[in-house]
Amino acid sequence: RKEVEQDPGPFNVPEGATVAFNCTYSNSASQSFFWYRQDCRKEPKLLMSVYSSGNEDGRFTAQLNRASQYISLLIRDSKLSDSATYLCVVNRNDYKLSFGAGTTVTVRA
Amino acid sequence: DTAVSQTPKYLVTQMGNDKSIKCEQNLGHDTMYWYKQDSKKFLKIMFSYNNKELIINETVPNRFSPKSPDKAHLNLHINSLELGDSAVYFCASSQVAGVGSEQYFGPGTRLTVT
Repeated sequence: RKEVEQDPGPFNVPEGATVAFNCTYSNSASQSFFWYRQDCRKEPKLLMSVYSSGNEDGRFTAQLNRASQYISLLIRDSKLSDSATYLCVVNRNDYKLSFGAGTTVTVRA
Repeated sequence: DTAVSQTPKYLVTQMGNDKSIKCEQNLGHDTMYWYKQDSKKFLKIMFSYNNKELIINETVPNRFSPKSPDKAHLNLHINSLELGDSAVYFCASSQVAGVGSEQYFGPGTRLTVT
């Protein structure tokens, strides 16, 4: 079983729609959780960290469910510029980040 | 100002050759990483250095050898290149090693082995 699993999508949504997707992780000792964004042929960039209490950054909301070992990302009022691959990233209690393969979101006009 | 830079951006070479990729960060970070992203888009950690000390060495063929001359640089040398080495290689850095530390990625080096 992979350490981090994501639905690859693609999620094709119209502008203004809400899109949400999850990521599951296998190691219950995982301590830090992140969503990174990767545009086509570019490097990954941190979108947001995910805290136990859940957190919001503008139109983006991240949730963590430790009991079921998943994190989620919700994007409200989608913009064309939100089209990207969203990488779920999990950090155990060591130096390594484990990346999911990404969920592709395409926002259409 | 470029935070994490890599050279070259593209590298096309033949099987059996030896090549190097260079990485530099000007963020003052202590920790640097090399990742490989294959055609299936999985990003896999290869190596990590903290203050010039190797702290992560994943199961990578010993044809791959990292070298950190100082904490701002982490280079990757690859001997006897194989077709399967074709991928995008990302360098990254973080302020400290460990839980919760955001990583900043370089633009990637697209390696094609023919």
